[in-house]
Order: sequence, then structure tokens, then C-alpha cells
Amino acid sequence: GAGVSQSPSNKVTEKGKDVELRCDPISGHTALYWYRQRLGQGLEFLIYFQGNSAPDKSGLPSDRFSAERTGESVSTLTIQRTQQEDSAVYLCASSFNRETNEKLFFGSGTQLSVL
Amino acid sequence: EDKVVQSPLSLVVHEGDTVTLNCSYEVTNFRSLLWYKQEKKAPTFLFMLTSSGIEKKSGRLSSILDKKELFSILNITATQTGDSAVYLCAVPHGSSNTGKLIFGQGTTLQVKP
Repeated sequence: GAGVSQSPSNKVTEKGKDVELRCDPISGHTALYWYRQRLGQGLEFLIYFQGNSAPDKSGLPSDRFSAERTGESVSTLTIQRTQQEDSAVYLCASSFNRETNEKLFFGSGTQLSVL
Repeated sequence: EDKVVQSPLSLVVHEGDTVTLNCSYEVTNFRSLLWYKQEKKAPTFLFMLTSSGIEKKSGRLSSILDKKELFSILNITATQTGDSAVYLCAVPHGSSNTGKLIFGQGTTLQVKP
């Protein structure tokens, strides 16, 4: 696609429910990243995919968070048993190749609100 | 610990003013420094800097890196209301050869008519 696409753009859920967030990266981009942005804060790294493998999951805050990627394309970030502190914007980004992996292209994010 | 600190955290100016945004960093194995503009939600890429003293320029925006003093500045001349946004500075994590970036808190710029 023309850009990184994320869905839904907004999600309101009740505490304790599970949520799934989806990311469609730019076609041909091999690297995919999930970041979280709490209100008024910078972005926090969550997880990185190269192809369908996740060599770096160091930013996932707890075992309630998981992510997968299939077909070297779409990725889903799953948060189980959501808590109020999970409320944030979840941003997905992709990049083309290893040599320019720092230059990320971001989606518009999913605003998650946990009531 | 790798970190990025931006200043000021917020800034209000009038159209036509020139602004300078600051970014200081501490990172092992420095590779690059990136500036992003965030309007609403999606950060958009502005500049990637790798060498000291070489100014990168795009229209009214310019940026320069000082690797000795570990900082970068982003200048915007003749500001317009459309420049209102959060400006984010980031560096790749020192131990990773990937796009795992460490971001500063951002500078919120408001340009008044």
C-alpha cells in the first residue's frame, strides 16, 4: 500500500477485555515495529519484526502483550486482560531494508482507551 | 543508559518568527539522529543526521548535528500555522542495528496567526 495502515483508529474497551490491533506495513518493507505513546510522552519501543521473526521483544511491558506477523506483511498486537495503564496510542512503523532501518515510516496509530 | 532529552517541552510563537528546537543525547555506538514531525498521530520523517557540522535543509526547516557536544538543533524560519506540531528527536538504540529508536519527550510547537 501507499503508506502504513493501522486499524482500528480508535478502540474503547473495558478493563479486563482482550484487544487486537492491526498493522499493514508498506509493501516490500521487511522490518516492522510497534511503539506506544502515552499522553504527552515520547514513543516507547515495544517489538521489532524482521520478516516474520521477532528478534527483539524487549519493550513489551508484560506477558499480557504479544504480537505476531504473517506473510512478511500484516502484524497484530494483542493485549490480554487490558488495564487502564494500557491506554495510549499504539503506533506501527515499517522500514525498507537493513541499511536504512533507522528511517521509519509510521502509521496513524490506534488510540486505545481502557475504561 | 541511552537517552534523548529535548528542550523546550513547549513553545508558542507568532507567524513569521524563527524557532530553534534542541535535542541532546547519550547513546553508545552512535549511528544517527532523526527528527520527526507529529501532527495528530502519525510522525513523519524530517531529517536523518549522521555527520557533524553538515546542515540538512528542507525548505524553511534545517538541522545540524554536533557529535562532540552530543546535540542537534532543528531550526524553522518564517514559521507558519501549519508548522504547529510535536517535533520528535530520536536516536537508534546503541546495542541494536535496527530501527529500535529512543525518542525524546518531544517539543510541542504552537504557531499563532
